[in-house]
Amino acid sequence: ILNVEQSPQSLHVQEGDSTNFTCSFPSSNFYALHWYRWETAKSPEALFVMTLNGDEKKKGRISATLNTKEGYSYLYIKGSQPEDSATYLCASLDRGAQKLVFGQGTRLTINP
Amino acid sequence: DAMVIQNPRYQVTQFGKPVTLSCSQTLNHNVMYWYQQKSSQAPKLLFHYYDKDFNNEADTPDNFQSRRPNTSFCFLDIRSPGLGDAAMYLCATSRGQLSSYEQYFGPGTRLTVT
Repeated sequence: ILNVEQSPQSLHVQEGDSTNFTCSFPSSNFYALHWYRWETAKSPEALFVMTLNGDEKKKGRISATLNTKEGYSYLYIKGSQPEDSATYLCASLDRGAQKLVFGQGTRLTINP
Repeated sequence: DAMVIQNPRYQVTQFGKPVTLSCSQTLNHNVMYWYQQKSSQAPKLLFHYYDKDFNNEADTPDNFQSRRPNTSFCFLDIRSPGLGDAAMYLCATSRGQLSSYEQYFGPGTRLTVT
């Protein structure tokens, strides 16, 4: 059974500080890794889809890295702003299971 | 704007009373998914459609059914809701199956069972 773990489960960060959190997934049968941001009362929206080992993607102040050999991805937020408060979900696409398997998410709160 | 719409956003039903959740999309995507998310847990795939082909997850209870009458609409039917079915239900779409395409989500329907 494919198991995707995210840590920490929740995080409080002061506005202006940078932060990062982790997604761990099984490295065998890996196909793709997705990151989504889910703001309260809104739809989850895709941040990144990553497939290659060593890949690094960036969108504004948010970036992500991928290590498929050891089975982890980091999401970084530089200079956190209140609008970054959300739950960040990662999901691994497994060739065998043929579906996205999500982690529990990291709930990020930015304190003004 | 192209989007995924779910109605209603909040649904209250009684124990054992059938309920239907709806999802529509204007993206013309081939694949539509239904996920269940219980409090503080990971979203869990219930089933998905690739065009008209229905794919049920092995551990999805028989109590949960789905219909996709056309490309745009997909419904989740819960035949006899139990207290354990209270959850957020998310609908999503994507261009392809088993691909690196991102999924597009609706805002979810929060189901309460009394």
